[in-house]
Amino acid sequence: RKEVEQDPGPFNVPEGATVAFNCTYSNSASQSFFWYRQDCRKEPKLLMSVYSSGNEDGRFTAQLNRASQYISLLIRDSKLSDSATYLCVVDRNNAGNMLTFGGGTRLMVKP
Amino acid sequence: GAVVSQHPSRVICKSGTSVKIECRSLDFQATTMFWYRQFPKQSLMLMATSNEGSKATYEQGVEKDKFLINHASLTLSTLTVTSAHPEDSSFYICSALMGQWGTEAFFGQGTRLTVV
Repeated sequence: RKEVEQDPGPFNVPEGATVAFNCTYSNSASQSFFWYRQDCRKEPKLLMSVYSSGNEDGRFTAQLNRASQYISLLIRDSKLSDSATYLCVVDRNNAGNMLTFGGGTRLMVKP
Repeated sequence: GAVVSQHPSRVICKSGTSVKIECRSLDFQATTMFWYRQFPKQSLMLMATSNEGSKATYEQGVEKDKFLINHASLTLSTLTVTSAHPEDSSFYICSALMGQWGTEAFFGQGTRLTVV
């Protein structure tokens, strides 16, 4: 079993739609959680950290469920520019030096 | 935000030659940098952790004699792919943490290596 698992997609959605991604992790000792966005042939960029209480940043909402060991990302009112691969990242400690990346979920937003 | 610069962005080399990739933190000091490899449609896989002034820590299955890492200063780490083979063709990305307790990883732009 992979340490961090994501549905690879692609998720094809129309502009304005709401889309949700889930990510499961196997190591219950994991401490920190993140969503990164990666555009084709580019480096990953931090989208948002995921806190236990859940957090929202504009159209993006991230949630963490420690009991079930999954993380979710909700995107509301999808834009064409949201098309990218979304990487779920888990840090086994809080020092940032034990990051494990999920395989990514590809999102395609269509006009 | 913090910037990590990686060079070159793209390189094509002949089989058997060596290629050096540089990773620089432009506006902060990075005692630790990380090197990842990403094959098409796959996730980033950590190859090694580069520690300034000491030897790199390699992940299981990564040959340290093939992937030479040097972290001679707080702003520069280099990865040298020695005796490259076509199967080494991949997207190599470095990252650095900002600050002693930073948890956000800033990534370089990546290097697309093609070995012919």
